[in-house]
Amino acid sequence: NAGVTQTPKFRVLKTGQSMTLLCAQDMNHEYMYWYRQDPGMGLRLIHYSVGEGTTAKGEVPDGYNVSRLKKQNFLLGLESAAPSQTSVYFCASSYRREGEARPLFFGEGSRLTVL
Amino acid sequence: GQQVMQIPQYQHVQEGEDFTTYCNSSTTLSNIQWYKQRPGGHPVFLIQLVKSGEVKKQKRLTFQFGEAKKNSSLHITATQTTDVGTYFCAGLRGFNKFYFGSGTKLNVKP
Repeated sequence: NAGVTQTPKFRVLKTGQSMTLLCAQDMNHEYMYWYRQDPGMGLRLIHYSVGEGTTAKGEVPDGYNVSRLKKQNFLLGLESAAPSQTSVYFCASSYRREGEARPLFFGEGSRLTVL
Repeated sequence: GQQVMQIPQYQHVQEGEDFTTYCNSSTTLSNIQWYKQRPGGHPVFLIQLVKSGEVKKQKRLTFQFGEAKKNSSLHITATQTTDVGTYFCAGLRGFNKFYFGSGTKLNVKP
């Protein structure tokens, strides 16, 4: 049982390049999230999805796009990378169940450096 | 801006001492969750609090949710070196969006 898998785990980009981070979960979760983690800032929500074919903006969506064409996958795209996007990116998923704890299950993270 | 504030940012304790981290929100939260992130790792869910004034315990960890559902705390009794890591609170607003605090990094000296 893999849980939440992120690829790639490390990437170095030059300013202006584009790339896509892939998140895959095998728990049949409805909700998926992309966070970025910067020192002293905690985890900030970039975009999220409540189901296949739907996405919504979080706290810091600028410069990123997402897609959820399949329930198990959530892609995060950077069209034109900037040094300010150097960060560790975490994908998370959770199930939809009212009245119960809905913990976030996190992937291991993707460390992105933009030069 | 930051939706959920967490203090302190760092805490260094001697093994056996107690530790507390506090979380405050400017708005009422549906519930609050706590996560632990070991150095180099990813956040791992610890617990969820839902009810006003709720208190939950997990061995040496005690979690509280404020009466107004705007603040929470995590208290560790008699810390151990295995408690090292960063502790995050995450407040749920509405049904889907979790807002994380900035985290408290705990270092325990043996």
